[in-house]
Amino acid sequence: GESVGLHLPTLSVQEGDNSIINCAYSNSASDYFIWYKQESGKGPQFIIDIRSNMDKRQGQRVTVLLNKTVKHLSLQIAATQPGDSAVYFCAENSKKSSGDKLTFGTGTRLAVRP
Amino acid sequence: NAGVTQTPKFQVLKTGQSMTLQCAQDMNHNSMYWYRQDPGMGLRLIYYSASEGTTDKGEVPNGYNVSRLNKREFSLRLESAAPSQTSVYFCASSVGPELTQYFGPGTRLLVL
Repeated sequence: GESVGLHLPTLSVQEGDNSIINCAYSNSASDYFIWYKQESGKGPQFIIDIRSNMDKRQGQRVTVLLNKTVKHLSLQIAATQPGDSAVYFCAENSKKSSGDKLTFGTGTRLAVRP
Repeated sequence: NAGVTQTPKFQVLKTGQSMTLQCAQDMNHNSMYWYRQDPGMGLRLIYYSASEGTTDKGEVPNGYNVSRLNKREFSLRLESAAPSQTSVYFCASSVGPELTQYFGPGTRLLVL
């Protein structure tokens, strides 16, 4: 069935290093993807998005890469900081007969070592 | 702007009790959503409202009802709470159904 998943449930990185969080999606008709950050006890917070007509988009310290050939999405965080510690979700906008729906992955926990 | 607000933050219910979770947004968004989040699972859509005056079932609607009171407010009601409804509930809103959703802080519900 249609699903959004993550390759790694937890990722531990040294402060200052770059982080890469991966996500696989299965619906080739999805045309919009979003990365969210969720800190403990809080709601998901929008980080960055990308449409299927792009393969890369950059924000402040974050870059999202989209590879439609292999249906893979990644979030790169440059110079990871302690404040980046959180769970990161990818979401895809699935085109369904009932309308557009966001489907969320289960999340990857990013732990930043001082 | 406060964004998306939810009340209450925490609630403990006994099996069979009823309650309403409140959600409001001040971003003039058309679409609003209710999700539940359980350990080890992604956010699951309970109900959504693509625009004022419409509501539709999501992935897990059983045991819940919703009301889109006006453009700003979207409430979720549990008529007879069950332990399986213990979860964290998030409300979200977006300009339109195909666009980025913005989330509230969540309501943590425990049903005994």
